[in-house]
Amino acid sequence: NAGVTQTPKFQVLKTGQSMTLQCAQDMNHEYMSWYRQDPGMGLRLIHYSVGAGITDQGEVPNGYNVSRSTTEDFPLRLLSAAPSQTSVYFCASSYATGHGYTFGSGTRLTVV
Amino acid sequence: SQKIEQNSEALNIQEGKTATLTCNYTNYSPAYLQWYRQDPGRGPVFLLLIRENEKEKRKERLKVTFDTTLKQSLFHITASQPADSATYLCARGGYNKLIFGAGTRLAVHP
Repeated sequence: NAGVTQTPKFQVLKTGQSMTLQCAQDMNHEYMSWYRQDPGMGLRLIHYSVGAGITDQGEVPNGYNVSRSTTEDFPLRLLSAAPSQTSVYFCASSYATGHGYTFGSGTRLTVV
Repeated sequence: SQKIEQNSEALNIQEGKTATLTCNYTNYSPAYLQWYRQDPGRGPVFLLLIRENEKEKRKERLKVTFDTTLKQSLFHITASQPADSATYLCARGGYNKLIFGAGTRLAVHP
């Protein structure tokens, strides 16, 4: 049982490049979310999903896209990377609302 | 907007004492509050959930309270140990999403 798997663990991008952060869970969880974590600011919600085909914006969605074509996968796309998107990104999943979330180990992204 | 506020200053306590961390929320009461532990370089780990209609929840040495009048949750670790040193995050849940506070760093000294 792998839990929540995020790839890659580290990534350096140049300003303007695009990339996809991968997130997969094998727990058959309906709820999945993406967060970014910056020093002193805690976790901020980017996008979330309550099931395949359903996504919604969180607190800081600008510059990011998501899709949820399967229950297992929830990729996060950076359309045109900016230095302000330098952060640690966490994917998390949960069985349903009112349940604890399982987090991945994170992707450390640097945009230069 | 619905905010979660945690004391940004680190909490330093002596081993064996009870650590108490505070989480305050704004606006309406959330359906539930969750507490997580995060170690450096790792993802948060779920500890406890308490619902709006519950006053208190316990799990081993951990205790969480939910006071809708004060708009506050308290997180207690009794008989604290150096291994409890970490950052503890509070999150408010409802409307299918979870919003986190900035976290409070706890340091337990031998």
